[in-house]
Amino acid sequence: GAVVSQHPSWVICKSGTSVKIECRSLDFQATTMFWYRQFPKQSLMLMATSNEGSKATYEQGVEKDKFLINHASLTLSTLTVTSAHPEDSSFYICSASISPGGPGETQYFGPGTRLLVL
Amino acid sequence: GDSVTQMEGPVTLSEEAFLTINCTYTATGYPSLFWYVQYPGEGLQLLLKATKADDKGSNKGFEATYRKETTSFHLEKGSVQVSDSAVYFCALRSGYSTLTFGKGTMLLVSP
Repeated sequence: GAVVSQHPSWVICKSGTSVKIECRSLDFQATTMFWYRQFPKQSLMLMATSNEGSKATYEQGVEKDKFLINHASLTLSTLTVTSAHPEDSSFYICSASISPGGPGETQYFGPGTRLLVL
Repeated sequence: GDSVTQMEGPVTLSEEAFLTINCTYTATGYPSLFWYVQYPGEGLQLLLKATKADDKGSNKGFEATYRKETTSFHLEKGSVQVSDSAVYFCALRSGYSTLTFGKGTMLLVSP
């Protein structure tokens, strides 16, 4: 099946630093990738949708300048948390879609990246 | 807007018990419906899906039937195992929109 990887799986950083998280589709080309944030015991909150070669579409309330998303190729998207603060600590999950919007569209999820900002 | 409501957990069962996790939805049109499973410390995995009314999705002994008349997509399994302990998310997608998730239901299965 389709596999999505994320790197790193764990990251601890100091407040004020920036952190980059990579999301890769390993055996398929993903025209669309999604970034979610999950708080403990909560559902997934969609942060943004990114299409290869174009600017990401951010959900309401998500700061574009804080959460920079780059989708440079059909197999790689990156999320950079700029000037991270403790409240940014969370579990970040990406997903990739092969045929976005189609009736049988399936999103394949990465294993997630746990960020802890001290 | 679209929304998904799941029963609150945790659901605690003994091994080999019957499982039902309720899921109801509100959506425009005819959404596709999904169940995702999240094991501890991991991302979500698609468990099963149904794309039209009366469809039954099934996988690994789990089943869910798309009930348009009751706007429901309840997850069932006849005999749970300890390894089924996880958080289960019901989700929908309307047309070309993104996924809308429920809050998740934690399942704990004891030997």
